[in-house]
Amino acid sequence: GAVVSQHPSRVICKSGTSVKIECRSLDFQATTMFWYRQFPKQSLMLMATSNEGSKATYEQGVEKDKFLINHASLTLSTLTVTSAHPEDSSFYICSAPKGPYEQYFGPGTRLTVT
Amino acid sequence: QKEVEQNSGPLSVPEGAIASLNCTYSDRGSQSFFWYRQYSGKSPELIMFIYSNGDKEDGRFTAQLNKASQYVSLLIRDSQPSDSATYLCAVNWDGGSQGNLIFGKGTKLSVKP
Repeated sequence: GAVVSQHPSRVICKSGTSVKIECRSLDFQATTMFWYRQFPKQSLMLMATSNEGSKATYEQGVEKDKFLINHASLTLSTLTVTSAHPEDSSFYICSAPKGPYEQYFGPGTRLTVT
Repeated sequence: QKEVEQNSGPLSVPEGAIASLNCTYSDRGSQSFFWYRQYSGKSPELIMFIYSNGDKEDGRFTAQLNKASQYVSLLIRDSQPSDSATYLCAVNWDGGSQGNLIFGKGTKLSVKP
């Protein structure tokens, strides 16, 4: 399968600070990437669609000014959680589609806001 | 509201048995269907995808799709303890090659040695 990486894998930050998470497709190009969030014992919830060269598309209820997405190149998308609060603590996972049917997930980033 | 439903389990099967995981979806326009495996604390791993009615086999795994019944299943033959994980059913309703996925809440499978 294809390889998608995420960095960092784990981050702890203080309330009010910002955190940037990187998602890279290592062996293929992705004009679109997806950002998901998963709370404990819950399923993945799509937050936004990251589009290379244009603005991200956010799902209903996701604050675009809080979760800044930049798709800088065909292999890199970043998610910045601004002014993080404890309720933002979650497992953030990106994915990138390769071909018409397959999406590959990054290993995830566990964010803890204290 | 597009929904994907799965029995949360846990589903417990003995080692060597067949595990059967089921999923229903609400949108008749759904195009393609995916099964992911997620170990605790890890991100999902793609097992199989299917987009045509019928069965699709890959090793010990068989995906079954019935669009008329809006039902997709995953059979795991000769279940192993290492198969113990949460299995997520996902549906691409967008139809396009870059469509996003709607996930079910997952079924937790436990394979007992």
